[in-house]
Amino acid sequence: DTGVSQDPRHKITKRGQNVTFRCDPISEHNRLYWYRQTLGQGPEFLTYFQNEAQLEKSRLLSDRFSAERPKGSFSTLEIQRTEQGDSAMYLCASSLLAENTGELFFGEGSRLTVL
Amino acid sequence: DAKTTQPPSMDCAEGRAANLPCNHSTISGNEYVYWYRQIHSQGPQYIIHGLKNNETNEMASLIITEDRKSSTLILPHATLRDTAVYYCIVRPYNNNDMRFGAGTRLTVKP
Repeated sequence: DTGVSQDPRHKITKRGQNVTFRCDPISEHNRLYWYRQTLGQGPEFLTYFQNEAQLEKSRLLSDRFSAERPKGSFSTLEIQRTEQGDSAMYLCASSLLAENTGELFFGEGSRLTVL
Repeated sequence: DAKTTQPPSMDCAEGRAANLPCNHSTISGNEYVYWYRQIHSQGPQYIIHGLKNNETNEMASLIITEDRKSSTLILPHATLRDTAVYYCIVRPYNNNDMRFGAGTRLTVKP
């Protein structure tokens, strides 16, 4: 399967713990995006990378959230000191800059439950 | 970015055409109309996009009104597997991300 993969698919944690999600984009895709989705809502943009550079961050991305894409390939999204309000599906997507058709390829998401 | 308005839910009979409307009355001249869908427990999937001409691909057709203030996504022969949330998005062609609203929940019934 050469699609976008995310790991873990499900994570249950206690409030105050740190969690990290990993996203492996489609190879050769130089743009990578993180979204958050809560029940009944559409995905909300968090941040995006072009290669290893983080070019835009939403105000939704509080100081407890940090995303990296150190070698321009996979990316991690870390949430420190989790809160119950962080419970959501975290979606990763990738695209190819050269095409810029607006077609984002999404993974199946990492579902976070904070107890 | 222009905002979109979609009905929260729609039903469609299996085998019939599903016509999903979207209002984007404040769309700018450089903004495209995109459609994505999200099947339960999966990430969103790109369907189609257009600027002002009608577009068709293997999944759907996109009809944009002449004044570009609204559009309709048409699934010509809906199947049960087309049950999903459908998102209409407008954005400039050179923008960097997709901003999703709440979408329309389409239920295809046997």
